[in-house]
Amino acid sequence: QVQLQESGPGLVKASETLSLTCTVSGGSFRSHYWTWIRQPPGKTLEWIGYIYYTGITELNPSLESRVTMSVDTSKNQFSLKLSSVTAADTAVYYCARPLGYCSGGNCPFDYWGQGSLVTVSS
Amino acid sequence: DMQMTQSPSSLSASVGDRVTITCRASHDIINSLSWYQQKPGKAPKVLVYAASRLESGVPSRFSGSGSGTVYTLTISSLQPEDFATYYCQQYYSAPLSFGQGTKLEIK
Repeated sequence: QVQLQESGPGLVKASETLSLTCTVSGGSFRSHYWTWIRQPPGKTLEWIGYIYYTGITELNPSLESRVTMSVDTSKNQFSLKLSSVTAADTAVYYCARPLGYCSGGNCPFDYWGQGSLVTVSS
Repeated sequence: DMQMTQSPSSLSASVGDRVTITCRASHDIINSLSWYQQKPGKAPKVLVYAASRLESGVPSRFSGSGSGTVYTLTISSLQPEDFATYYCQQYYSAPLSFGQGTKLEIK
């Protein structure tokens, strides 16, 4: 059974860096493009980007200048850092795995973490 | 970037009703379209992918159709557990993008 679990601070001060980690259990960590998606309260979902186990990333251009992704294959973990946060970055952050039939990172998602609410305070 | 326009934004319906939600892409996405159901406080759950393929375990009352730039999700006979918010997602090109959502409420 594949499980994803986000972890990290729930409160970040404006202008600082948001950091989250997703730990994956079950399945093959090296077979997928691991993805971050966020959802501001009451709004739709926004794709942040993905990372492959080799470190290859593709990021949303709207966030690319502030986003860093990394991967730790020894721990089956991947991480997100978002710098210079503002109130607009307050959201539930999800990590997700693409559907198994889909190769690459441009895919629908079948496994999601439970979501981590990150609030940016002034 | 690909824009996804979903309609309606909200919908009131009764148990047993047939409902249809529509998603329009700004360009042809060649069936690279999925539908999700999201309940409050939960992660989205994929229902349909490749425009019309039902994800394993999803009830057959859900169906997807469409091509080119216009896609639909139909629920043939609403059940109480279907009242939720639904999103479409295109994965034809990065950045991947989602519709604005349709909140399905009990009439």
